Amino acid sequence: NAGVTQTPKFRILKIGQSMTLQCTQDMNHNYMYWYRQDPGMGLKLIYYSVGAGITDKGEVPNGYNVSRSTTEDFPLRLELAAPSQTSVYFCASSPNPGGEATEAFFGQGTRLTVV
Amino acid sequence: RKEVEQDPGPFNVPEGATVAFNCTYSNSASQSFFWYRQDCRKEPKLLMSVYSSGNEDGRFTAQLNRASQYISLLIRDSKLSDSATYLCVVRGGGYNKLIFGAGTRLAVHP
Repeated sequence: NAGVTQTPKFRILKIGQSMTLQCTQDMNHNYMYWYRQDPGMGLKLIYYSVGAGITDKGEVPNGYNVSRSTTEDFPLRLELAAPSQTSVYFCASSPNPGGEATEAFFGQGTRLTVV
Repeated sequence: RKEVEQDPGPFNVPEGATVAFNCTYSNSASQSFFWYRQDCRKEPKLLMSVYSSGNEDGRFTAQLNRASQYISLLIRDSKLSDSATYLCVVRGGGYNKLIFGAGTRLAVHP
């Protein structure tokens, strides 16, 4: 019953450092998403993918990169970390649209602080 | 205009009250609709899907009005444990991706 697994759960980065947030799912979902959530605010879509090899920008893609080489994995790369990237990052996956159950399943989140 | 809009609240209600949340969406071609619940510092979790005919799950009732592009969630007999943020979610736009509203905060007090 793994579902969506994110690592790490917590991380502190220094300004200018880089890191990759890992996300993997075992439900064979084609759709995967990365969101960020600032304190007291809603979820903002960073990037999403509709299948291996296909990614697209969301609402707030600047400062991030993604890749989708397999169905299971959707890593999010932060280059040159900035304090504005301090946030909680959620990864999610969902089945293709059109079926009976098309909701998203979330990982537990990665709490990132950039100092 | 945002793709999915919700009143941010907070809604402060006593235990036992009935409370209703509304949500509007901009893309008339949207296919699927959901309400999620998010507790503080936790991941969102599905509360219920929303169907055209309306649907009920215990104390929760969801309604969809496609003509007005409007979704609602009604919570009856509120419990302290209902205190959370409720997120309206629409599947639509390019690639039929999931689009989240900013959420409505509910605080139920004794």
